[in-house]
Amino acid sequence: EADIYQTPRYLVIGTGKKITLECSQTMGHDKMYWYQQDPGMELHLIHYSYGVNSTEKGDLSSESTVSRIRTEHFPLTLESARPSHTSQYLCASSGQGAIYGYTFGSGTRLTVV
Amino acid sequence: GENVEQHPSTLSVQEGDSAVIKCTYSDSASNYFPWYKQELGKRPQLIIDIRSNVGEKKDQRIAVTLNKTAKHFSLHITETQPEDSAVYFCAASRGGSYIPTFGRGTSLIVHP
Repeated sequence: EADIYQTPRYLVIGTGKKITLECSQTMGHDKMYWYQQDPGMELHLIHYSYGVNSTEKGDLSSESTVSRIRTEHFPLTLESARPSHTSQYLCASSGQGAIYGYTFGSGTRLTVV
Repeated sequence: GENVEQHPSTLSVQEGDSAVIKCTYSDSASNYFPWYKQELGKRPQLIIDIRSNVGEKKDQRIAVTLNKTAKHFSLHITETQPEDSAVYFCAASRGGSYIPTFGRGTSLIVHP
């Protein structure tokens, strides 16, 4: 079934560690996004991409980086995790051309201790 | 840039009542307005959307209305049920290369 997949679902990691959150979609979407969301709260755009080799920073200042080497894959990397990075990270994608809504992944809940 | 205000932040209703969530937007060029529902511990999911050439759209118990002149749009849920309890997000978008702007979310609680 075409969908967007995030791994891991939960991650507890120590301060200073490097981590990569995975996001892959099988819908053939060109646009992909990363959002940070604290429980039940508003969505903050961290990064987005309109296609291969295209990445942009969002509104939320973040020490993370992203890459888009393949259309279906949009990983998020934190070079040095800090307790302030504790949050839920949601990946999303949308179709090209006509305006479409987002399809969100199930999220990665990150805890930095 | 676009600014989307969403109200109320929390809405508590009795089962069977109607619920209305309102959003206002600032960019008159916005032409696509989706609504997302996020149940506790789950991903946001698109439940209904409306484009600027339409004033109202219905899907069973949910409906969305759009007033382009006043630059506001609303989500209406009739005959609410406990499973409607969730956080609802509105968004406004120009489409193309523009990123949608989300509202801050409304926590709807439906009491049995």
